[in-house]
Amino acid sequence: EIVLTQSPVSLTLSPGERATLSCRASQIVGTSLAWYQQKPGQAPRLLIYDVSHRATGVPARFSGSGSGADFTLAISSLEPEDFAVYYCQQRSLWPGSFGGGTTVEIK
Amino acid sequence: EVQLVESGGGFVQPGGSLRVSCEASGFTFNTYEMNWVRQAPGKGLEWIAYISAGGSTMYYADSVRGRFTISRDNARKSLHLQMNSLRVDDTAVYYCAREGGEGTTNFYDYWGQGRLVTVSS
Repeated sequence: EIVLTQSPVSLTLSPGERATLSCRASQIVGTSLAWYQQKPGQAPRLLIYDVSHRATGVPARFSGSGSGADFTLAISSLEPEDFAVYYCQQRSLWPGSFGGGTTVEIK
Repeated sequence: EVQLVESGGGFVQPGGSLRVSCEASGFTFNTYEMNWVRQAPGKGLEWIAYISAGGSTMYYADSVRGRFTISRDNARKSLHLQMNSLRVDDTAVYYCAREGGEGTTNFYDYWGQGRLVTVSS
C-alpha cells in the first residue's frame, strides 16, 4: 500500500495570498497523482489529475506540480471560495489511496 | 450535464443491512467504471468498492469485503451498494464516483452528493 502524507495539516491564510500544499508518497507514483477539493457538506471535486492537468472548469489559479514521490498543489491567489479541505490521491498502485487532507482556513 | 444522484442509506443497528443507490444521467453509463468511496464523520476519504463498466468485475477494500456488494444495472443507469452485517465503524457518508471520464485517466471526475449511513445501537 502506498501511504500519502499531506502537509501541513492546516493552513491559515488571507484572501489574495498564495497557498502551497504538499503531498508525499511512501513510494514513487510516477504521474498518477490527483488533487481534490472538498467543501463542508459537499462531495469532493476533482481539481488536478496526472500531477498537473486541470480538470474541466477548474480555474487557472490552481496548479499542480511534482514528480516521483513529492507533489505540490498551488493556489496562486486565494479566493473566498477556495477555503476548503484538499486531498491528494494516487492511482499508481491499485486500488489507490488518499492522503489525510490539508485544511485551508481563512485568517 | 453529468449527474450522479444518490438515494438510500439511513439509520440501522449493528448487524443490520442497508442499500445505497446512485442514478446516473448525462453520460453513457455503461462505458464507465464506477466506485464507492466513504467518509467517516470528520475523517478522510476511503475507497471501498469498484465495478467494471460491464459489471463483470468487482473489487473491494479489506474493510468491507464479504459484507458489502457492489452492483450495477446498465439498462437503468444505476449503481448500488448492498451493505450487510453493518458495524458501528461503517458509519460514514457514502459517495458514488465515476472513474476516468473526460480524459482524467483513472481518477474520479464526478461524484454523487453522498448519503449518510449511521450504524448505532
